[in-house]
Amino acid sequence: GAVVSQHPSWVICKSGTSVKIECRSLDFQATTMFWYRQFPKQSLMLMATSNEGSKATYEQGVEKDKFLINHASLTLSTLTVTSAHPEDSSFYICSAKEGSASELEQYFGPGTRLTVT
Amino acid sequence: GQNIDQPTEMTATEGAIVQINCTYQTSGFNGLFWYQQHAGEAPTFLSYNVLDGLEEKGRFSSFLSRSKGYSYLLLKELQMKDSASYLCAVMDSNYQLIWGAGTKLIIKP
Repeated sequence: GAVVSQHPSWVICKSGTSVKIECRSLDFQATTMFWYRQFPKQSLMLMATSNEGSKATYEQGVEKDKFLINHASLTLSTLTVTSAHPEDSSFYICSAKEGSASELEQYFGPGTRLTVT
Repeated sequence: GQNIDQPTEMTATEGAIVQINCTYQTSGFNGLFWYQQHAGEAPTFLSYNVLDGLEEKGRFSSFLSRSKGYSYLLLKELQMKDSASYLCAVMDSNYQLIWGAGTKLIIKP
């Protein structure tokens, strides 16, 4: 149980275009989902936290108008990278929690490799 | 500020034992996690410590000292498949995970 999927697993797009990444909890209801970004040889950096039905909370330094997050249902959250630039190329990982914010365990998706040319 | 330190890279021999250390300074503490991450993949959960002491799980053990802000992950009987990055993460008072940069473990035959 507790499986999180991401789609696509990798994507290449041209500079200036937008890309949407989906994160789904397959066998549980994810009240909270997290979006992370990881550059090569660096740690995971939390971009934003989203709760179903409400606006996402973005971390300092993350542009909310550039990284649009929608958590429309208890099983789906989407991250849209708008007007992508080469510096947005990174590994994007989502994770999900079942239950309250104090729930300890997060279940990670397999990640999406974004390359902007 | 919040800070988690772990060595950037370690090398060990197949069949041996290796200890990966992690020190932390965070606002509040709701437990410390260790994750394994193979290149190009998402992290997978290894262990969770919230009380002082050693937690053993097969070939992997994790230790925590809250007073020292210190943890280590001990890997025994190393196998080639253990080559990966090992991430230390602390859950702060807001139940948010603060991540270390990870330790790349290289296993040599």
